[in-house]
Amino acid sequence: EVQLVESGGGLVQPGRSMKLSCAASGFTFSSFPMAWVRQAPTKGLEWVATISTSGGSTYYRDSVKGRFTISRDNAKSTLYLQMNSLRSEDTATYYCTRDTTSFDYWGQGVMVTVSS
Amino acid sequence: DIMLTQSPATLSVTPGESISLSCRASQSISTNLHWYQQKPNESPRVLIKYASQTISGIPSRFSGSGSGTDFTLNINRVEPEDFSVYYCQQSNSWPLTFGSGTKLEIK
Repeated sequence: EVQLVESGGGLVQPGRSMKLSCAASGFTFSSFPMAWVRQAPTKGLEWVATISTSGGSTYYRDSVKGRFTISRDNAKSTLYLQMNSLRSEDTATYYCTRDTTSFDYWGQGVMVTVSS
Repeated sequence: DIMLTQSPATLSVTPGESISLSCRASQSISTNLHWYQQKPNESPRVLIKYASQTISGIPSRFSGSGSGTDFTLNINRVEPEDFSVYYCQQSNSWPLTFGSGTKLEIK
């Protein structure tokens, strides 16, 4: 059974940093691109970033480019999202997803609240 | 960026009705369009990929059609568990984008 379990969320002040993790199991992690998708409270879904199988290629939405870094450790079957210079508009539930062009598996999500 | 416009924003129906939800792209995306369902306080799940391809484990009452800029998600005889929000998403080009969603509610 495919499982994606996020961790690392919480309350953070504007301008500070936070790192999310996603532990994957039930599939060959190194064979699939992975992505982060977020959802602000009461809002719709928003793609954040995607990383290739090896980690050699990464893609970001413009609003997080230069502030967020997606990475992966295939030996640990873990996906990461390093978030720097956080803003109030980054407040959202962040989902780890398997990116097979469609997002075919999703984690339960982790809440990130950016507030002073 | 490719904008996806979903309509209607809200649809009120009676269980047993058959419905169609629309997703229109701001430019041609071939069939690189996927549909998701999100129930309250749950993670989304994919229903249809590449406009019309079915997903294992998804009830057969869900079907999709379209190509280019106009896409449709059909639900044949809505069940009580289908009342949720539906999103479309394009994978034709970066940045990947979602529609704003259609909320299916009980009349």
